[in-house]
Amino acid sequence: DAGVIQSPRHEVTEMGQEVTLRCKLISGHNSLFWYRQTMMRGLELLIYFNNNVPIDDSGMPEDRFSAKMPNASFSTLKIQPSEPRDSAVYFCASIAGPDGNQPQHFGDGTRLSIL
Amino acid sequence: SQKIEQNSEALNIQEGKTATLTCNYTNYSPAYLQWYRQDPGRGPVFLLLIRENEKEKRKERLKVTFDTTLKQSLFHITASQPADSATYLCALVDDTGRRALTFGSGTRLQVQP
Repeated sequence: DAGVIQSPRHEVTEMGQEVTLRCKLISGHNSLFWYRQTMMRGLELLIYFNNNVPIDDSGMPEDRFSAKMPNASFSTLKIQPSEPRDSAVYFCASIAGPDGNQPQHFGDGTRLSIL
Repeated sequence: SQKIEQNSEALNIQEGKTATLTCNYTNYSPAYLQWYRQDPGRGPVFLLLIRENEKEKRKERLKVTFDTTLKQSLFHITASQPADSATYLCALVDDTGRRALTFGSGTRLQVQP
């Protein structure tokens, strides 16, 4: 079975540009989580969805960040405009069902560098 | 405020010894606690889940304990191997609040051959 797939694996762009990160869930999973990982703050939850509906977006840093699930198997995280402090590794993870206590399946992340 | 604390200093041990990692939490009332392994350049991988009414859980060379009085979980790797070198993260869901995992910052384990 294919795991959670993220693209791109690496992104380097100049500040002010729009950045779109992509995530494909494991087939049959219906909850999706977006995280950001930095040395200073560790792994932080940004937003999570259940059945394509955002449940908790309290971790989204500001209005420059937005996330969508246009269908049950795919999600995007967009940053517009990007800033150097957005540089981090962004992970998505999925589970089958709404229960946050289930083990999460992570992708290998997108390493984002904003110059 | 809520905190999940793991030793930020790397743990260095000799191959064959038992590694013990600590996860302490404050102002959480978790029903479950999970442990993950993360290798450089990869996403975290789930290892074990322990429920609040379980004192101990084992899986092959791994053992997790959960003490809700001490507000602490211990993660043990017995007969450690260099391939066990990685960062280990604990995570929990607060059963009174948001239904998503909050992660500790992780402890890096280095097993020397």
